[in-house]
This record gives sequence, C-alpha cells and structure tokens, in this order.
Amino acid sequence: EIVLTQSPATLSLSPGERATLSCRASQSVSSHLVWYQQKPGQAPRLLIYDASNRATGIPARFSGSGSGTDFTLTISNLEPGDVAVYYCQQRTHWPSLTFGGGTRVEIK
Amino acid sequence: QLQLQESGPGLVKPSETLSLTCTVSGDSISSGTYYWGWIRQPPGQGLEWTGTFYNSRSTYHNPSLKNRVTMSVDTSKNRFSLNLTSVTAADTAVYFCARLGFYSNSAYLDVWGQGALVIVSS
Repeated sequence: EIVLTQSPATLSLSPGERATLSCRASQSVSSHLVWYQQKPGQAPRLLIYDASNRATGIPARFSGSGSGTDFTLTISNLEPGDVAVYYCQQRTHWPSLTFGGGTRVEIK
Repeated sequence: QLQLQESGPGLVKPSETLSLTCTVSGDSISSGTYYWGWIRQPPGQGLEWTGTFYNSRSTYHNPSLKNRVTMSVDTSKNRFSLNLTSVTAADTAVYFCARLGFYSNSAYLDVWGQGALVIVSS
C-alpha cells in the first residue's frame, strides 16, 4: 500500500504570502497525484490532477508540481478564502484510492 | 450541471446496516464514461476511500472494510447505493458520493455530493 505523507500539518501565513504544501509518497506514483481543497463544512473540491493540471475554474494562484515521490501544491498570493484543509490523493494500485492526512492552511 | 445528492438515515444502531443512496442529476450513471464512488470522513479526520463501481459487475471496496461493503446501481432512477453491514462507532462519518474521472493514468474525484453524516449509536 502506498502511503501519502503531507507536511506541514498546519500552515499559518499572512494574506498575500505564498503557501507551499508537500505530499510525499512511500513509493513512486509517477505523475498520478491529485490535490483537493476542503473548506469547513463543505465537500472537497478538485484543484489539481495529474500533479500539475488545474481543474476547471481553479485560479492560476494554485499550482502543482512534482513527480515520483515528491509533490508540491503552491498557493500564491494567499487570500482569506483559501482557509481550508488540502489533501493529496493517488491511485497507483487501482482500484484503491489513498489520501494523505491533509494540511490545514490558516490565515494570520 | 452534474449534481450528486446523498440520502439515508442519519442514525444507525451498532451491528445494524448503514444504507445510503446517491442520486445523480445532469448525467447518466449508465453512460459508461465514468466510475462512481463513496468516500467517508470521520468527524475531525481525513478522507477514506470506501468503494468504487463502474457497473453492477464491476465494484470495488476498501479492503480495510473486510467485505462489509456492498454497492448497487439503479439505472432506472439514476442512483447508486452503499450498504455497510455490522457497523460500529468507528463507522460514524460523513459519507460522500462522487464521480471519478480519469486523465492519463490519474484518477480524480471531480464532482462530489454535499455529504451525509451517519452516526452509529444505540
């Protein structure tokens, strides 16, 4: 089973700053890594698929990078509306899907 | 516009069966284009894949649920269901249904229901 480890657990930044979130896989998942945003009380929303492709309607402030075992979600120019928990997910051992434990982004 | 809506009892007694339905509007679940799935989230915790299906003959569930999961499809009503037997307090969670899309070899959940909280308690 591939384990996804996200860090840090919590990220506290000021508006306008850049948030850098990490997702590390226990073995290579190639580029097949997905990112979601979950705001309080809401369902997750798809942000990034295949490591670096933004989903429909996602602002360019959100970008994904990485391959193999190390992946990054970058949120530029942080806004109060970005407060959420961000999860990564992979499907290498289809049909199983696994999620990382999440990173909480807070605004100072 | 595609929408998914979960429905079912919000309270289930221990050892009984949890049953949820996901009604889909704006797309046909029998089109053969997508997979459909269930993800759950215990209160204050992360996301856990529960099960996925393509059609009534192609269903998959999380092995950690030890064969307690069954999924079914009602194409006439464009909805699909989740049954989880022998529930315990550990099955208390918000259950989401979602559509599963693909790009290259990535699989992603691109449309989600709002979620249904199910509490297991006597």
